[in-house]
Amino acid sequence: AQSVTQLDSHVSVSEGTPVLLRCNYSSSYSPSLFWYVQHPNKGLQLLLKYTSAATLVKGINGFEAEFKKSETSFHLTKPSAHMSDAAEYFCVVSDPRTGGYQKVTFGIGTKLQVIP
Amino acid sequence: NAGVTQTPKFQVLKTGQSMTLQCAQDMNHEYMSWYRQDPGMGLRLIHYSVGAGITDQGEVPNGYNVSRSTTEDFPLRLLSAAPSQTSVYFCASSYEREGRDTQYFGPGTRLTVL
Repeated sequence: AQSVTQLDSHVSVSEGTPVLLRCNYSSSYSPSLFWYVQHPNKGLQLLLKYTSAATLVKGINGFEAEFKKSETSFHLTKPSAHMSDAAEYFCVVSDPRTGGYQKVTFGIGTKLQVIP
Repeated sequence: NAGVTQTPKFQVLKTGQSMTLQCAQDMNHEYMSWYRQDPGMGLRLIHYSVGAGITDQGEVPNGYNVSRSTTEDFPLRLLSAAPSQTSVYFCASSYEREGRDTQYFGPGTRLTVL
């Protein structure tokens, strides 16, 4: 079984300061991990994806995430927050071993507020 | 490409009414899914399809039906709407070459059942 825990339901940062959104996962195998972003009243957009090629994954809009197997974590970071980063962020885990349709598990989301 | 499209964007139903949420994709993706999003619960899988003519249940299938007669379309039917089905519904698609689990999402349908 797989699961994902987003450790903060809300994070507030000032514009220009670093962003850290925390995610821990549980999986019986080497998982695939994702971060998605959802702006208000919009669909989900893929930020980045980890598939074991490299532990540090760079995504769109300056975001990156580091896979740490020993800590079972996949935290999302950005060096400097922009007002347009205000959104909800979802950490997602999947087990790529299974054939056919690939079910994924979503975290409950972290709402990022950026203060001017 | 339009990507994944969903209609309608908003819908209000009365308890007991039926309706169909439409989803279409123009990327020739094999896999399509329906999720519902509720506050504090992330996204939960309702039904999914691995190709035309093949569908299966997800985590929360009760009260919903699906069919997939073409690769492009994957409608979700509510047979007798209940207030518990008030939610935001997202359709997603993916394909084997990029990874079955790398999903592209539509903009969502906001459904209220009174």
